Amino acid sequence: QKEVEQNSGPLSVPEGAIASLNCTYSDRVSQSFFWYRQYSGKSPELIMSIYSNGDKEDGRFTAQLNKASQYVSLLIRDSQPSDSATYLCAVIPPGTGFQKLVFGTGTRLLVSP
Amino acid sequence: GAVVSQHPSWVICKSGTSVKIECRSLDFQATTMFWYRQFPKQSLMLMATSNEGSKATYEQGVEKDKFLINHASLTLSTLTVTSAHPEDSSFYICSARDQGGSGYTFGSGTRLTVV
Repeated sequence: QKEVEQNSGPLSVPEGAIASLNCTYSDRVSQSFFWYRQYSGKSPELIMSIYSNGDKEDGRFTAQLNKASQYVSLLIRDSQPSDSATYLCAVIPPGTGFQKLVFGTGTRLLVSP
Repeated sequence: GAVVSQHPSWVICKSGTSVKIECRSLDFQATTMFWYRQFPKQSLMLMATSNEGSKATYEQGVEKDKFLINHASLTLSTLTVTSAHPEDSSFYICSARDQGGSGYTFGSGTRLTVV
């Protein structure tokens, strides 16, 4: 079982809609979770981090963490064509003394005008 | 915010030659940096963890003699791809954790093409 799993997509949504991106992780005791956005040919950029159960909102983005279900999601409200990118979920697995980040395969989001 | 500078942004080299990629933390000290590799349409795969003043920790399956990592100072880590072959062509990305921040900052990446 992969440490971090995401649906590769593409997920297609119309402009203005809510895009919902999902991620599951294998190790129940993982503590730190991140969402990154990566445009084609570019390096990832951090959207949000979340460490506690529940929701965390930042502008149009909301991260949701459910540790019991080992599930973390990202909601993008009022999706814009510029949000079209690959969204990477990342986790710090337990027992990694150097705090290494492990990525899922990413979900490609397409927002149509 | 934290900035990580990576150079070169792209490089083309001949098969059998070596290529060095630099990763610098510009406004913070990074005792630990990470090197990733990303093939087209795939996710980032961690290659190694670079530790200032000590040997790097390589992930399973990554040849440490082929991918030489040096982390000689708190702001600089280098990755040298030795005896490069076409299958080493990839997007190499470094990252560092800003101790005062909430995430990991990534360099802009290096597109390596071996011909």
